[in-house]
Amino acid sequence: DTAVSQTPKYLVTQMGNDKSIKCEQNLGHDTMYWYKQDSKKFLKIMFSYNNKELIINETVPNRFSPKSPDKAHLNLHINSLELGDSAVYFCASSQRGARGEKLFFGSGTQLSVL
Amino acid sequence: SQQGEEDPQALSIQEGENATMNCSYKTSINNLQWYRQNSGRGLVHLILIRSNEREKHSGRLRVTLDTSKKSSSLLITASRAADTASYFCATDRSGATNKLIFGTGTLLAVQP
Repeated sequence: DTAVSQTPKYLVTQMGNDKSIKCEQNLGHDTMYWYKQDSKKFLKIMFSYNNKELIINETVPNRFSPKSPDKAHLNLHINSLELGDSAVYFCASSQRGARGEKLFFGSGTQLSVL
Repeated sequence: SQQGEEDPQALSIQEGENATMNCSYKTSINNLQWYRQNSGRGLVHLILIRSNEREKHSGRLRVTLDTSKKSSSLLITASRAADTASYFCATDRSGATNKLIFGTGTLLAVQP
């Protein structure tokens, strides 16, 4: 069974559209994250939730809104998509925060905004 | 924000050779981790080394940490074609919000 699963794997859409990416982890972890990886492979944290509570918001445009209905799920909704949003988005989880904990990553969602 | 930098950016070696990748960072850390990313996949955790440790081994992996130089190295011995991937270091900053900051990655190609 996949530990961290995210859907869809590929997302191709027009500028201005609204889209969502879903993430679920079955590891019983308390903390979940969204990371963005650009075309140069640079991986940047966007959000972190701990037990459904937002603990990190890294100056991400408010067009990006994470939602955590329970601690096993962290979805990412993006409004008014822009060309610069094209990237691979990774969901990840860890037992309790990131201090001394390893992260488990999903396989990524490649978002292409046309 | 702090960002680790891996060196070299890309490395090509033959199967059986050793591969060494370096990571430098800017501020004090609690621990440093190494991850591997195969093409089109998510990152996979390889090894974690704490700030009070100097060396750690896991199978064919050897990680060193020099906090005085703010640097770490990852050595893969007797490399295999399956080791072809991007390798990232990630740091957990002292006194900062609980998050991992990833470096820029080293792309390793192991030729059969």
